[in-house]
Amino acid sequence: GENVEQHPSTLSVQEGDSAVIKCTYSDSASNYFPWYKQELGKRPQLIIDIRSNVGEKKDQRIAVTLNKTAKHFSLHITETQPEDSAVYFCAAKAGGTSYGKLTFGQGTILTVHP
Amino acid sequence: SAVISQKPSRDICQRGTSLTIQCQVDSQVTMMFWYRQQPGQSLTLIATANQGSEATYESGFVIDKFPISRPNLTFSTLTVSNMSPEDSSIYLCSAEGGRGTAFFGQGTRLTVV
Repeated sequence: GENVEQHPSTLSVQEGDSAVIKCTYSDSASNYFPWYKQELGKRPQLIIDIRSNVGEKKDQRIAVTLNKTAKHFSLHITETQPEDSAVYFCAAKAGGTSYGKLTFGQGTILTVHP
Repeated sequence: SAVISQKPSRDICQRGTSLTIQCQVDSQVTMMFWYRQQPGQSLTLIATANQGSEATYESGFVIDKFPISRPNLTFSTLTVSNMSPEDSSIYLCSAEGGRGTAFFGQGTRLTVV
């Protein structure tokens, strides 16, 4: 089955700096890669996603890049703010018989210091 | 995006008892998913629930322990049976909205004493 590795497990930055979180996946059939933000005690919220036919996607301060050949994808947050502090999860979804099933990375605790 | 209402939001249960968690989606969805998230950990898929068929369980999870119902396209329940303290966790339901994106219920924080 799919295996998703996420790094780093914790990331501490100063307000205004950029943050980058990286994930690798194992199943070359995976074709959808969402990122979720989870604040303490809250549900995971989708913040951005990318499909395998696209190399990069941007939404204001957040961007995601995908390298299908290397089977890795990354989340980039620019101009970080204290409210960006949360746990971030990457995930991968395959087609075929695993349609709909998401496999999550281990999560990254992002702390943005004012 | 789909809106998912999950209840209860939290519960404290005695060991040996069972708890049923409910999820209601505001639109019809083909697939619903149940996850477990232990404190400080990632989300682990328990099972996939399709309407009209038996749920598909992931390795390490069995139907006798986590029976699931999916009576229609907007509703599902997960029961945690014969609970032990090791079952203390957050349980989350999920459904696919448009474009195949997944949305989550608010979670059920279960404590078994």
